[in-house]
Amino acid sequence: QQPVQSPQAVILREGEDAVINCSSSKALYSVHWYRQKHGEAPVFLMILLKGGEQKGHEKISASFNEKKQQSSLYLTASQLSYSGTYFCGTEGSLGSQGNLIFGKGTKLSVKP
Amino acid sequence: DTGVSQDPRHKITKRGQNVTFRCDPISEHNRLYWYRQTLGQGPEFLTYFQNEAQLEKSRLLSDRFSAERPKGSFSTLEIQRTEQGDSAMYLCASSWRTGRAREQFFGPGTRLTVL
Repeated sequence: QQPVQSPQAVILREGEDAVINCSSSKALYSVHWYRQKHGEAPVFLMILLKGGEQKGHEKISASFNEKKQQSSLYLTASQLSYSGTYFCGTEGSLGSQGNLIFGKGTKLSVKP
Repeated sequence: DTGVSQDPRHKITKRGQNVTFRCDPISEHNRLYWYRQTLGQGPEFLTYFQNEAQLEKSRLLSDRFSAERPKGSFSTLEIQRTEQGDSAMYLCASSWRTGRAREQFFGPGTRLTVL
């Protein structure tokens, strides 16, 4: 039931783009994306709901394919500050009431 | 705008001792969640409250774990008779939710080390 994230790690140069994927074997109601830097708390980036509602940061975009139970996070023109581990958390139904199941994370390193 | 706070930030204890962690959510949030995170893994859901009611606790790791939110404000997570396997980061998150999913805001966590 744990969502699968890919890739596990990615190294970028500043200004390059990256896509992080999150895939579930079960139907999804919502997908939440977080970034966590070493030793810090996860920081909210984006929430995507079944039916197309989205809410998140201006410079980050994401997609949610309900039929395929997949979500992708798009990081464009990466900056050094984008470095960290990105987690997707999934909610299988409205009844899950926010009990998120997180993937193992994708470690992103942005180098100058 | 004060975020979610947790206390203590670090706790070192000996095996067999009891420990208690506190979480203060964002004041207007009605939902409070506890997660555990081990190295290299994503947060693992433990339990959650809506106001003072604990609505899900089946995912608490064992009967040594318990949580309270007595007045619908701050919450405590207690681990009794700690074991070395309990060493982890314990995260608290809060959100405002009346129906549709809403973003959760995490606190800085309490890092527990059991010797």
